[in-house]
Amino acid sequence: DQQVKQNSPSLSVQEGRISILNCDYTNSMFDYFLWYKKYPAEGPTFLISISSIKDKNEDGRFTVFLNKSAKHLSLHIVPSQPGDSAVYFCAASGYGGSQGNLIFGKGTKLSVKP
Amino acid sequence: NAGVMQNPRHLVRRRGQEARLRCSPMKGHSHVYWYRQLPEEGLKFMVYLQKENIIDESGMPKERFSAEFPKEGPSILRIQQVVRGDSAAYFCASSPAYGGGYNEQFFGPGTRLTVL
Repeated sequence: DQQVKQNSPSLSVQEGRISILNCDYTNSMFDYFLWYKKYPAEGPTFLISISSIKDKNEDGRFTVFLNKSAKHLSLHIVPSQPGDSAVYFCAASGYGGSQGNLIFGKGTKLSVKP
Repeated sequence: NAGVMQNPRHLVRRRGQEARLRCSPMKGHSHVYWYRQLPEEGLKFMVYLQKENIIDESGMPKERFSAEFPKEGPSILRIQQVVRGDSAAYFCASSPAYGGGYNEQFFGPGTRLTVL
């Protein structure tokens, strides 16, 4: 049973436009959410995070929105650049008091076309 | 300013052999986590360790897998009597000690284990 779901395996956008990556979760005990970016043959790289007491966090071109009532979060990248092409993973923690245990979605592969 | 180090990057073993994967956390980090990624899947948590202590091993298979993080030296993930299903990418992450808040985990480049 997947607790963190990324229902779009892939997304293609034009350079300069907005990329919106979505993530849904089922466990209301999650209280911290993170986005990671991963290139092939490399480890995930932390991008941005948000705690459940906020509904928005912004860092440069990256903004994460959290809708707790819908158990949904999204990552917006504006403007998208070809170097953003990678697999993006949504992750959540807080369940069961084990804050070290990150639960990952399966990822969305973003392709930004020049 | 080295990040999380993992070695080897690639490891090939025959069925029945042992695999040892090493992880050195970032400087100043005292928490280590191991994750496994199967093809087309997300990362799955295996174990969370601090120096000389296993904090959470709820994601570790009950048999053949063990992990340690000794007082000196890297963290080791050990897989005994490997089977083909163990073929995966194994990632280590580290974080600083909790300061009452939340800390992101920083990942190493991974070890790709292939079992023939």
